[in-house]
Amino acid sequence: SQQGEEDPQALSIQEGENATMNCSYKTSINNLQWYRQNSGRGLVHLILIRSNEREKHSGRLRVTLDTSKKSSSLLITASRAADTASYFCATDKGGKLIFGQGTELSVKP
Amino acid sequence: DTGVSQDPRHKITKRGQNVTFRCDPISEHNRLYWYRQTLGQGPEFLTYFQNEAQLEKSRLLSDRFSAERPKGSFSTLEIQRTEQGDSAMYLCASSLSQTDEQYFGPGTRLTVT
Repeated sequence: SQQGEEDPQALSIQEGENATMNCSYKTSINNLQWYRQNSGRGLVHLILIRSNEREKHSGRLRVTLDTSKKSSSLLITASRAADTASYFCATDKGGKLIFGQGTELSVKP
Repeated sequence: DTGVSQDPRHKITKRGQNVTFRCDPISEHNRLYWYRQTLGQGPEFLTYFQNEAQLEKSRLLSDRFSAERPKGSFSTLEIQRTEQGDSAMYLCASSLSQTDEQYFGPGTRLTVT
C-alpha cells in the first residue's frame, strides 16, 4: 500500500515560474525523501528531510516538513524545461521507502 | 561511474519462462533494496538486504520471486514462471545505512508476452 499521496497529480507551468508539489502521509516517519523520475528512467534522489527538521534547501529546491500535519512540500523555483519529470515523495518506514503516486510536472518553454 | 547499475536494462520474455536480473550497488553500501514500478504508479517495495541477510519481503513477492545477495555485494532477483502481470520496471537501490538516502539504478524493464 502507498502511504504518500502527492498533490496535484499533474502540474503544467511556464518556464521561469515556481512549482509547488505537496505530499501527505499517514503514519510517523523517520525521514521523507523526494525523488525525480524522467520518463521511463530510474529515480534521482533530490532531498532527504529528517523528522526533526522543518525546512531544507538544495539549489533551486526547497522542502518543508510539518510532522503535526503529516505533510511535506517541494518547491522548485525559476523552473526550466529540463525540470519536466515526475516527482515522488517517499516516507521511510523502517528503512524501506513507501512512495506516493507522484506529481507529473510539465514546464513549457 | 560508481552509481547503482542494473543488468539487463530491458528484458522481453514469454509467459512461463524464468528471468533473472542483477543489481550492483554502490560499493560501500550495506543495504540493497528491490522495488517494482508499473506505469503511472510510484515504486512499490519488494525486499531488502542488510549485507547478505534478507531482512524483509513484501507480500507482493510471491513464491515465484526469489532474491539473493550471496556475498553482500551484488544481488539477483529471479522470477520463475513469469506471468503477464509481472511486466513492470524493476528498480534496485542501495544505501549506506537504514536512515540514509537510497540511490536508485536505471531499472530493468520486463515485458512478458
